[in-house]
Amino acid sequence: DVKVTQSSRYLVKRTGEKVFLECVQDMDHENMFWYRQDPGLGLRLIYFSYDVKMKEKGDIPEGYSVSREKKERFSLILESASTNQTSMYLCASRPMGRETGELFFGEGSRLTVL
Amino acid sequence: KNQVEQSPQSLIILEGKNCTLQCNYTVSPFSNLRWYKQDTGRGPVSLTIMTFSENTKSNGRYTATLDADTKQSSLHITASQLSDSASYICVFLRGGATNKLIFGTGTLLAVQP
Repeated sequence: DVKVTQSSRYLVKRTGEKVFLECVQDMDHENMFWYRQDPGLGLRLIYFSYDVKMKEKGDIPEGYSVSREKKERFSLILESASTNQTSMYLCASRPMGRETGELFFGEGSRLTVL
Repeated sequence: KNQVEQSPQSLIILEGKNCTLQCNYTVSPFSNLRWYKQDTGRGPVSLTIMTFSENTKSNGRYTATLDADTKQSSLHITASQLSDSASYICVFLRGGATNKLIFGTGTLLAVQP
């Protein structure tokens, strides 16, 4: 069965703290993505990666960075968390090749920044 | 302006009833359209996929339709169950080299006993 695992389901952090969100997939997918999901705004793409050590900015990369040192792992980093980064963060993966657009999502990480 | 608008934003129905969720779009061209179901506190899961040339696709009690003339897609749920309570999101795969996904904002469905 396809599995995307996000390390933390719920986090509470203080403004200015550094935050790491980890995502691991066991499907040997080349592409991995980080989205944030906010009410009324839907899913917005923060960053994606199509290979190890490769990264591309999505639609809202400001305030975030990512790391992909291994194929199965894609990390989202908030260097200095701010209250407007309170959100649900979803990691997803999909294989390269025949493009059907199906994303396989993790369970999500709900981050609250106080 | 969003390229994909979903309506209604939220919906409450009684168990056993049918319902239809709408997705209006301006995305052009697109390769396919998916409907995802997102249970509360979980990640979205794909329900149906249609290419731009298809009109309808079913998955059990879920039937998706696509009308290219009116630029509308619908997701029809038959004989609703409590487990259908979730958010439903339509997602377009934009055609061309970018393979960019365009997400709707979702419809939150609550099925009550």
